[in-house]
Amino acid sequence: GAGVSQSPSNKVTEKGKDVELRCDPISGHTALYWYRQSLGQGLEFLIYFQGNSAPDKSGLPSDRFSAERTGGSVSTLTIQRTQQEDSAVYLCASSLPPSGSDQETQYFGPGTRLLVL
Amino acid sequence: SQQGEEDPQALSIQEGENATMNCSYKTSINNLQWYRQNSGRGLVHLILIRSNEREKHSGRLRVTLDTSKKSSSLLITASRAADTASYFCATDGNDYKLSFGAGTTVTVRA
Repeated sequence: GAGVSQSPSNKVTEKGKDVELRCDPISGHTALYWYRQSLGQGLEFLIYFQGNSAPDKSGLPSDRFSAERTGGSVSTLTIQRTQQEDSAVYLCASSLPPSGSDQETQYFGPGTRLLVL
Repeated sequence: SQQGEEDPQALSIQEGENATMNCSYKTSINNLQWYRQNSGRGLVHLILIRSNEREKHSGRLRVTLDTSKKSSSLLITASRAADTASYFCATDGNDYKLSFGAGTTVTVRA
């Protein structure tokens, strides 16, 4: 079946503008994750959704970042008043719901490359 | 903060040779996963090894896990040009969050 899709692939914006990044998870995956990857770095966890609720928002770097998920499917990550340090690749992943102490494999989308000028 | 750290940061090998990279982590884990990333875009899941496993194989990949040393290794045998990518280890603790290292960049020369 189709994998995780993200849009846009690339986004260039001016400092101070708001951006919205979209993630469409694999059908049937109730768990959804957002990560950020700065140039040459590993992935930094941002937020986790189980269904439409986000039990863990601890990775969001500031209150300019927010995310929502509707219908247990598509998720939108919004960055308000973007700053140059927000420039990164934003990756979304989905998985079956974590069961007990077993982490289900996370399947990643291609990412959105954000450049804030 | 990053939980896993890969070593080496970069690796250049000849096609046909084996590539070995290591991952060390700090806290106890449920499992450890290896991912591949081409051209800085989406990650491809390679293999998952659980904390009660010591070795796992998948095609040309061999992963070991030593929980006493908090380390794992990924071996790619008979490398191909298509194996050129960055490789990341990711660990999970008692939650669903994956903690990634900074990765090992592997270049396979023809």
